Amino acid sequence: EIVLTQSPGTLSLSPGERATLSCRASQSVSSNYLAWYQQKPGQAPRLLISGASSRATGIPDRFSGSGSGTDFTLTISRLEPEDFAVYHCQQYGRSPLSFGGGTKVEIK
Amino acid sequence: EVQLVESGGGLVQPGGSLRLSCAASGFTFSSYAMSWVRQAPGKGLEWVSGISGGGDSTYYANSVKGRFTISRDNSKNTLYLQMNGLRAEDTAVYFCAKDRVTSRPYYFDYWGHGTLVTVSS
Repeated sequence: EIVLTQSPGTLSLSPGERATLSCRASQSVSSNYLAWYQQKPGQAPRLLISGASSRATGIPDRFSGSGSGTDFTLTISRLEPEDFAVYHCQQYGRSPLSFGGGTKVEIK
Repeated sequence: EVQLVESGGGLVQPGGSLRLSCAASGFTFSSYAMSWVRQAPGKGLEWVSGISGGGDSTYYANSVKGRFTISRDNSKNTLYLQMNGLRAEDTAVYFCAKDRVTSRPYYFDYWGHGTLVTVSS
């Protein structure tokens, strides 16, 4: 089973700042099958990125994904008030699917 | 508009059983794999189980293998999760999630709002 480790656990930033979130896999993620989701309190997750770098429909271009192999990054170029949330990475290259523990982006 | 509506959650004693349902609409249900993903209170997401679009292939997390059974009724556009031998650590919100492909669990473009399962005596 592939274990995903997200860091940091919490990121304290101000609106307008750049956020860089990391997701590290215990084994190489085949074909860069790595997705990112955003989750706000009391809500279901929302798909942001698939294939490590492809934005989902309707996702603003301030969100970008990068990386390959075992190291992946989600970058939010300029934080908007609605971006403060928890972000989860997920690998789908090998069964069983697995998620990281999440990174909370909070207002500083 | 894609809609996924879960039901069937509740309070159950350890060792008990529960059956979750997920009613789907707004897309061709049989064309997509579906999964259940859970989230324990204050914790991260955990994929639980998935099923192919035709229902002929099923997939399980090690933590639930042998206790949970996923199924679907494509004539009713409904996904199910039969949970037996429930444990305290199964306490979570259970989300139904639509996959992006037909064949196997992949990544999820639509999610339901979840149903809470609490296992406690």
